[in-house]
Amino acid sequence: DTEVTQTPKHLVMGMTNKKSLKCEQHMGHRAMYWYKQKAKKPPELMFVYSYEKLSINESVPSRFSPECPNSSLLNLHLHALQPEDSALYLCASSQEGLTAETQYFGPGTRLLVL
Amino acid sequence: GDSVTQMEGPVTLSEEAFLTINCTYTATGYPSLFWYVQYPGEGLQLLLKATKADDKGSNKGFEATYRKETTSFHLEKGSVQVSDSAVYFCAGRSGGSNYKLTFGKGTLLTVNP
Repeated sequence: DTEVTQTPKHLVMGMTNKKSLKCEQHMGHRAMYWYKQKAKKPPELMFVYSYEKLSINESVPSRFSPECPNSSLLNLHLHALQPEDSALYLCASSQEGLTAETQYFGPGTRLLVL
Repeated sequence: GDSVTQMEGPVTLSEEAFLTINCTYTATGYPSLFWYVQYPGEGLQLLLKATKADDKGSNKGFEATYRKETTSFHLEKGSVQVSDSAVYFCAGRSGGSNYKLTFGKGTLLTVNP
């Protein structure tokens, strides 16, 4: 089973709202990732967690706050977003972080910021 | 850092036509290479992969062979179907990019009946 689940599937929020995206995997993977994907573009890496510790932050604005409560769960907390943050947010996981192993992606959360 | 040169589309084919999407990866080390597919409105699905030279990945009728001398990983399918219409991303990971997944720009494939 190579399933990564994400909730919610769709999210609409105002610029003053606080919301969270959730990602879960039960493959025993120790690395988890957040990506942002704009239309007609490849995904862009935002954050990497390895063994529940943040290992990479790709200079993401502080209005995005990741959290890894345990090895199976990854959250992305959103606050005071801008309309340009509207995108598909993808979660992924892999067996390890600093290796060339396969990343498995979830279905994504489509976010619209009004 | 690493980079991926992927044939840009869009590519439009008739059903049962032969498909090739070219991909070349430039890296300081030897990467693992992947093809991901994204159907409309969905996330990325792993289509196939190869972790070393001469490896051949295959899945759902798609194939790609890791050619070391050119670091190429061209995607092929002998007979496409309407259901293959999607965006295809070539990607790789290597130590030269700190194991970040480096993507090509994606190729939109449309298959007409």
